[in-house]
Amino acid sequence: KNEVEQSPQNLTAQEGEFITINCSYSVGISALHWLQQHPGGGIVSLFMLSSGKKKHGRLIATINIQEKHSSLHITASHPRDSAVYICAAGGSQGNLIFGKGTKLSVKP
Amino acid sequence: DTAVSQTPKYLVTQMGNDKSIKCEQNLGHDTMYWYKQDSKKFLKIMFSYNNKELIINETVPNRFSPKSPDKAHLNLHINSLELGDSAVYFCASSQDTGPWGYTFGSGTRLTVV
Repeated sequence: KNEVEQSPQNLTAQEGEFITINCSYSVGISALHWLQQHPGGGIVSLFMLSSGKKKHGRLIATINIQEKHSSLHITASHPRDSAVYICAAGGSQGNLIFGKGTKLSVKP
Repeated sequence: DTAVSQTPKYLVTQMGNDKSIKCEQNLGHDTMYWYKQDSKKFLKIMFSYNNKELIINETVPNRFSPKSPDKAHLNLHINSLELGDSAVYFCASSQDTGPWGYTFGSGTRLTVV
């Protein structure tokens, strides 16, 4: 079993829908990261959080340390949000342990 | 202006060759990493360096050797390339080990034929 599990693996939504991607981890972490990988391949860091909730534009990330669970929400989804979203646990040495990613496709 | 730059972006080479991928960051970060993304798009740590010192050396073949001449550079040299080495290699940096944000390079797509 992977140390970082994401669900769903694939997600198709209609433009405007509210989207949730879930992440559970079984390792101790210094922080939980959410990353976005576009079809072109580049990886962008969206959030790094160790408690509570963070918001950036239409993106919201939450974490429950006790339950070892994090969620990424996208409000009013748009086709340009189509990408792979990756949850990663930050280890004590700074390295990331990645989930397998959630491929999101938002249809117009 | 690129914060973490990798070269080359694409690399096609024959089995048995030796090749290098270069990475430079201009963010002043202390820690640099190499990650490998396999054909199933799964990312995994290979190496990390903090201020030129090797911190993480995951189970990768000895044919892979990282070199950090200074804290702004972390290069990856691969000897005797094999078909299975084909992947996308990402360089990344963070301010220090621990809970710091990451910046990734754009990746190097290595194809061994």
